[in-house]
Amino acid sequence: AQSVTQLDSHVSVSEGTPVLLRCNYSSSYSPSLFWYVQHPNKGLQLLLKYTSAATLVKGINGFEAEFKKSETSFHLTKPSAHMSDAAEYFCVVRGNTGGFKTIFGAGTRLFVKA
Amino acid sequence: NAGVTQTPKFQVLKTGQSMTLQCAQDMNHNSMYWYRQDPGMGLRLIYYSASEGTTDKGEVPNGYNVSRLNKREFSLRLESAAPSQTSVYFCASMSGGGLAGGTYEQYFGPGTRLTVT
Repeated sequence: AQSVTQLDSHVSVSEGTPVLLRCNYSSSYSPSLFWYVQHPNKGLQLLLKYTSAATLVKGINGFEAEFKKSETSFHLTKPSAHMSDAAEYFCVVRGNTGGFKTIFGAGTRLFVKA
Repeated sequence: NAGVTQTPKFQVLKTGQSMTLQCAQDMNHNSMYWYRQDPGMGLRLIYYSASEGTTDKGEVPNGYNVSRLNKREFSLRLESAAPSQTSVYFCASMSGGGLAGGTYEQYFGPGTRLTVT
């Protein structure tokens, strides 16, 4: 069975400070992992994805995530937050065998203070 | 490319009314999906279509029907709307087939905000 847990429902940072959004997953098989961003009243946009190549994945807008199998984590980071980063972020897990079911996390809303 | 488009953007229904949400993609993708998004619950799969001519139930199909009209279009119908169907509905498409294609990304439309009173 697969599951994904986003450890924080809300994260608040000041502009220019680092961002950390935490995601833990559970999967019986080697999964593919994704981070999507959703700006207010918009659809979801892919930030980055891990597909068993490099464990450190770089995405758009300066975001990156590191796949840590031993910790079953795929945390999203950015060195310096910008006001435009304020949005909701979803961690997504998909198995690579047996049905490839896609599971979405509940989401983390990121607030960026000036 | 317009990507994935959805109509309407907003809709208010009374309990018992019916309506169809429309979705179209211009990326020649095989798979299409309907999700609903509720606060604190992420996205939940309602129905999906692995290819033209096939549809399958997802996690929360009750109260909904779908039609894969052609490769481009995938519609979601509410036959008798209920307040529990108040939600934001997203259509998505993906190059790979169905729930398969583990490494493919999904492309999402802008959503339809539905309120049932």
